[in-house]
Order: sequence, then C-alpha cells, then structure tokens
Amino acid sequence: ILNVEQSPQSLHVQEGDSTNFTCSFPSSNFYALHWYRWETAKSPEALFVMTLNGDEKKKGRISATLNTKEGYSYLYIKGSQPEDSATYLCAFRTGGGGNKLTFGTGTQLKVEL
Amino acid sequence: KAGVTQTPRYLIKTRGQQVTLSCSPISGHRSVSWYQQTPGQGLQFLFEYFSETQRNKGNFPGRFSGRQFSNSRSEMNVSTLELGDSALYLCASSVSGASQETQYFGPGTRLLVL
Repeated sequence: ILNVEQSPQSLHVQEGDSTNFTCSFPSSNFYALHWYRWETAKSPEALFVMTLNGDEKKKGRISATLNTKEGYSYLYIKGSQPEDSATYLCAFRTGGGGNKLTFGTGTQLKVEL
Repeated sequence: KAGVTQTPRYLIKTRGQQVTLSCSPISGHRSVSWYQQTPGQGLQFLFEYFSETQRNKGNFPGRFSGRQFSNSRSEMNVSTLELGDSALYLCASSVSGASQETQYFGPGTRLLVL
C-alpha cells in the first residue's frame, strides 16, 4: 500500500509571510509527483507535474522542488496572499501501467490579513 | 477550451438504490479517472478508462463500476448504495494518461445517501 504523507495538516499565516509544505512519498518505482491547489467549492487546480530528481518548478509566487531519492517534495509560497488560502494536495504516480494517482490528505492553508 | 464537466452536481439517494454519474472530459482527452473523497479521507482512486477500456482499478467493491464511450465521456455507477458511499466524486481527464501529463479535474458530484 502506497503512503503519501503531507505536513503540516493545516497552517495559518499572515499576509506577506512565506511558507512551505512537505510531501513524502515512496522512493521506489517513482514516475511523477503532482501538486494541486483546491479551493472550497471549486475543482482542484493543477500546479505542477514533476518527474525528475532535482526538478524545480515555479508558477508566480509558488515553487516546488523534488527529491526522488529520499522521497520528498517541498512546495513554497512566497509572500502569501489571502487568495492563496486553499488546500494543497500532492499526488504520487507510480509505474505499472494506467493512470493512477495516490493522494496525500493535503495541507490546509489559511492566509489572514 | 471547455473544462471537465460532471453531472449532476448534487444528488440525494436512499440506501439500496443505484446511481449513475457522468463525466465529460476536455476535448481531445482520452483518459478519464474517477476519485472518491469522503470526510477525513484523501482522494481515493476508483478506476481509469482509456479508449473505452478500464486500464486501472482501485480497491473498491464490485458495486462500483464504470464505462467509457467512444467520445471519451465516462459514467460511473454505484449499485446498492450504502450510507458510506456518501462522498464527493471527482473525475479527471488527460490526453493519454502518460505520467508527465497534467490531469484536469471536474467540479465533482456530491452524493448523499440517506
């Protein structure tokens, strides 16, 4: 059974703070690591798909890094804004055919004014 | 380009009934996956369809089934509903399901079983 863990479970920060979350996943049979942002009552929004060890991706104030050898990924948000408030999910894709993502339970971020 | 659409958005059923949910993928996408989210649980993979064939299946009982049509639209069916089937059901589509592809999610169908 694959286990994807995210920490912390929830986070409250002030506007302008920078923050980061962790996603831990099995280091064997790695194919890809996905990050999503999920706002209440909306569809999960894809942020990054990362496939190579050492990958770094950036989208505006959000960036992510990947370490497949030790099985973790970090998501960073620089200068948090209230609109960044959402649940951030990571999902692990292993080999074996087919398209199956194993999700963590997410980090719930609340950015306060 | 239109996003992934799911119908209906909300549904109330009673125990023992069956339900069918529909998912229309982004135009040109042939891989459709289904996920279930229950309170306190992460998204759990149900199954994936590609070119009208089930390519992968999660650990759910046989009451959960699905199919995909030639236009890539997909339906999932839950028979003999149980209270524990109350959940948000999400579908996601991608071009072919390759590992480096982004999966795009729909807004979900929220099912309540009474």
